Amino acid sequence: EAGVAQSPRYKIIEKRQSVAFWCNPISGHATLYWYQQILGQGPKLLIQFQNNGVVDDSQLPKDRFSAERLKGVDSTLKIQPAKLEDSAVYLCASSPGLALPNEQFFGPGTRLTVL
Amino acid sequence: GNSVTQMEGPVTLSEEAFLTINCTYTATGYPSLFWYVQYPGEGLQLLLKATKADDKGSNKGFEATYRKETTSFHLEKGSVQVSDSAVYFCALSDRGANNLFFGTGTRLTVIP
Repeated sequence: EAGVAQSPRYKIIEKRQSVAFWCNPISGHATLYWYQQILGQGPKLLIQFQNNGVVDDSQLPKDRFSAERLKGVDSTLKIQPAKLEDSAVYLCASSPGLALPNEQFFGPGTRLTVL
Repeated sequence: GNSVTQMEGPVTLSEEAFLTINCTYTATGYPSLFWYVQYPGEGLQLLLKATKADDKGSNKGFEATYRKETTSFHLEKGSVQVSDSAVYFCALSDRGANNLFFGTGTRLTVIP
């Protein structure tokens, strides 16, 4: 079974530029998550989708971050404009659904450096 | 609210030593508890889980017991190997939230 795919793996941009990340979850997984992991910290949820609907985006900085999952499969996360503090690893995860125990499967992440 | 407090690292052990990484949690309901591991250059992988009080999760020689009375889920391994060197994250999933709340992670280095 293929795992969660993410691209690109690395991205370096200057502040105020825009960037987009892509995620393809495990086939058949209804729930998709985007996490931000700042160096030395645990992952923090940014947004959670159930199929193509948003379940939780309370921690998403909506003035600069946006995400979509139009067909309920793959997803994109965008930052515009980027700030220095957005430097982090952006992790995508998926799970079969909302039922517990909510075992999530993670992709390799995209490491973003904002200069 | 939901939160996880994890033992500060880094932890350095000799091969075959006993490992304990402490984890305590705060949750509004009855959470499921997890340990995830991140090997160098790789993504997060589920190591083990427990879904209710007194459950013991185990995998690859690692164990953790869900202790409701002490709100803890400490990770243990009797004899670590060099290949266990990684960052370990404790996490919880609360019924009301359906997402994962992570601790800050503990970096383990095992030396031969």
